[in-house]
Amino acid sequence: GENVGLHLPTLSVQEGDNSIINCAYSNSASDYFIWYKQESGKGPQFIIDIRSNMDKRQGQRVTVLLNKTVKHLSLQIAATQPGDSAVYFCGHAGGSEKLVFGKGTKLTVNP
Amino acid sequence: EPEVTQTPSHQVTQMGQEVILRCVPISNHLYFYWYRQILGQKVEFLVSFYNNEISEKSEIFDDQFSVERPDGSNFTLKIRSTKLEDSAMYFCASSMARNAEAFFGQGTRLTVV
Repeated sequence: GENVGLHLPTLSVQEGDNSIINCAYSNSASDYFIWYKQESGKGPQFIIDIRSNMDKRQGQRVTVLLNKTVKHLSLQIAATQPGDSAVYFCGHAGGSEKLVFGKGTKLTVNP
Repeated sequence: EPEVTQTPSHQVTQMGQEVILRCVPISNHLYFYWYRQILGQKVEFLVSFYNNEISEKSEIFDDQFSVERPDGSNFTLKIRSTKLEDSAMYFCASSMARNAEAFFGQGTRLTVV
């Protein structure tokens, strides 16, 4: 069945460092992948997405890497700032509109 | 910046009662969704809606649930005969296209007592 999970439930970094948040998925039919950020008490906020015909996509201070061979997705945040502190979810969809999310990694940025 | 708005922000209801959660998606979006998040758990897909009909639903979305787009702007989720385990944050989302960036609302916290 479909499964989206994260390798680490928490990640703590120093302000200015780069952060890497990892995600594994099991559905080989997945063709759309997405990262969301959720701050306490708020709705998920889109960060970046990537389709299965790509292995890397860059946004503002963020990069998503997709390794379809090992079914692994990662989010890299450059020069992490205190405002980046939040829970980060990966998600995927495989030929449907249903986004399946992982449990999330809580990122804490220490000043 | 356009946003998805949800009302109410918090709803308390007695077990067995019906609730209607309301959402105003972004105006030019075509796909609409409901998700729920039980406290401390992951965000779970409930249903997607396109072209005035349900396009996909999860196993959670049983006969207790229904969705409606009564006019050109609102998108509602009705939960009949609420149970304690229906307590959760319910998020509405919308997107321009299938498998594209979905914008989420701030959620409605439903508490069933």
